[in-house]
Amino acid sequence: ILNVEQSPQSLHVQEGDSTNFTCSFPSSNFYALHWYRWETAKSPEALFVMTLNGDEKKKGRISATLNTKEGYSYLYIKGSQPEDSATYLCALINQGGKLIFGQGTELSVKP
Amino acid sequence: GAGVSQSPRYKVTKRGQDVALRCDPISGHVSLYWYRQALGQGPEFLTYFNYEAQQDKSGLPNDRFSAERPEGSISTLTIQRTEQRDSAMYRCASSLEQLETQYFGPGTRLLVL
Repeated sequence: ILNVEQSPQSLHVQEGDSTNFTCSFPSSNFYALHWYRWETAKSPEALFVMTLNGDEKKKGRISATLNTKEGYSYLYIKGSQPEDSATYLCALINQGGKLIFGQGTELSVKP
Repeated sequence: GAGVSQSPRYKVTKRGQDVALRCDPISGHVSLYWYRQALGQGPEFLTYFNYEAQQDKSGLPNDRFSAERPEGSISTLTIQRTEQRDSAMYRCASSLEQLETQYFGPGTRLLVL
């Protein structure tokens, strides 16, 4: 059974704070890792697709890194804004093509 | 359409009835995925297709659940003899090719009374 773990489960920060959270996964049978942003009552929105060990991706104030050997990915948000409030989901794709989601990290940014 | 669409958006049914949930993927997308999402949880994989071929149905909870994509485009997830525990948000996603970014539909909220 593949377990994708995300931590922390929830995070409360002030506007302007930088923050990061973790996605851990079994390093065997890895093919790719996806990060999604999900606002309640909306559909998950793709942020990054990461495939190579050492990958770093950036979109605006959000960036992500990947370590496939030790089985983790970090998502960073620089200078958090209230509109960043959402649940951030990571999902592992194994060699068979199945996408396994973590439980998500719920971020709340207070003005 | 520009995105993935699903219908109906909401479905209320009585226990024991069959329901069919429809997913219309982004045109030209090869892969189509079905997920079930409980309140406050991440999506749980059910099954996926490449073109019309069902690749993996290991996530389907039991044999009351089935899915098809006969022409490699629209897909239907069918739940027979619904039970209250089937109540959830059912989401569909499609991707241009397998393993690429998935684009999610708005979901169908199913409530079994």
